[in-house]
Amino acid sequence: SQTIHQWPATLVQPVGSPLSLECTVEGTSNPNLYWYRQAAGRGLQLLFYSVGIGQISSEVPQNLSASRPQDRQFILSSKKLLLSDSGFYLCAWSVLSYGYTFGSGTRLTVV
Amino acid sequence: DQQVKQNSPSLSVQEGRISILNCDYTNSMFDYFLWYKKYPAEGPTFLISISSIKDKNEDGRFTVFLNKSAKHLSLHIVPSQPGDSAVYFCAASYLGANNLFFGTGTRLTVIP
Repeated sequence: SQTIHQWPATLVQPVGSPLSLECTVEGTSNPNLYWYRQAAGRGLQLLFYSVGIGQISSEVPQNLSASRPQDRQFILSSKKLLLSDSGFYLCAWSVLSYGYTFGSGTRLTVV
Repeated sequence: DQQVKQNSPSLSVQEGRISILNCDYTNSMFDYFLWYKKYPAEGPTFLISISSIKDKNEDGRFTVFLNKSAKHLSLHIVPSQPGDSAVYFCAASYLGANNLFFGTGTRLTVIP
């Protein structure tokens, strides 16, 4: 069966520090992978999506970047975090765009 | 541009009564709609979906209604239970799209 792993679950980082969130998928090949953010009081905002290794599309200009070094690995990064980067980050995968499976999320607090 | 809208940020319902969550969309290309349920500090989980060729889909206590002419869908939960308290996201997609388009969510509170 397909599973998705996302870590860490919570993270407190100082302003200006780097960030690396990792997401891996098991049990499927060539999935579409997504990073979403849910900021306080707001809905799910698509940050990045990837349809294959090394293929990254950015939806919103920001302080973040994403990489897909392997078929089932998706990484969200930042060189220098801002206070506004605080939020709940979700990784998701799908084979078609019609159904997503989400990871358990990472709550990032930038202080 | 928010193509999927949930205009009610919150809803409170008595246990045992019906909960109705609403969602509107603007893109006429959308042909598949989903509802996700999200508890705090967890990822959203799939609840129910409907294709544009149907106007109703039912799964236990959950029913989704689609009105294509009004570009409106709704989720009915009957009877509502305290465990249904969560944030509900409406989402939409179309063939060829690379992602789902999510609404901003409605926080449902079911009062015991």
